[in-house]
Amino acid sequence: GAGVSQSPSNKVTEKGKDVELRCDPISGHTALYWYRQSLGQGLEFLIYFQGNSAPDKSGLPSDRFSAERTGGSVSTLTIQRTQQEDSAVYLCASSLIRGQPQHFGDGTRLSIL
Amino acid sequence: TQLLEQSPQFLSIQEGENLTVYCNSSSVFSSLQWYRQEPGEGPVLLVTVVTGGEVKKLKRLTFQFGDARKDSSLHITAAQPGDTGLYLCAGTGPKKSSGDKLTFGTGTRLAVRP
Repeated sequence: GAGVSQSPSNKVTEKGKDVELRCDPISGHTALYWYRQSLGQGLEFLIYFQGNSAPDKSGLPSDRFSAERTGGSVSTLTIQRTQQEDSAVYLCASSLIRGQPQHFGDGTRLSIL
Repeated sequence: TQLLEQSPQFLSIQEGENLTVYCNSSSVFSSLQWYRQEPGEGPVLLVTVVTGGEVKKLKRLTFQFGDARKDSSLHITAAQPGDTGLYLCAGTGPKKSSGDKLTFGTGTRLAVRP
């Protein structure tokens, strides 16, 4: 597809389980971002990848959160030992290069029971 | 700490009315962007402003970046039901170390009644 693709679109899991969220950026985009949108906190930055540089992880809320980007394309956000406060919509965005407009996917809605 | 405050939080108006949404901060931003988000979808970029005092127009939407690059406004003329959605401002910076990660505002939810 032409846009940023995220999967799954919805995920319901039990507290304590691990989850993996996937992001397929727009082809050729070198910069990839993860954000989290929740009712109480609005839209918050989590992590940023640019090419082969070390990622900016400054927004990750705890060490239960991690992300990787393989081959400079697809990215996976992993949340270990999920907690109820992790419930949110997780959004991925990509841009051609750093400084260019960010294009967002439709997000993964994560619900922790 | 929320760096970008938007007002109002909620706005319900009649079709044809004008409205202004404000985005304020005590910090300077390198650039400021406005997005519109509809339920179940990601934010869609409307405009980017980078120069203090800059004004950009997109059909019935007028965006302004404050002279000091700390605030911005979005004005909609003759609102239509299709303008309904969540409007988000987002800034890059203020520090160089911030890279291009976006700091989002608190959001303004607009409903335009036919």
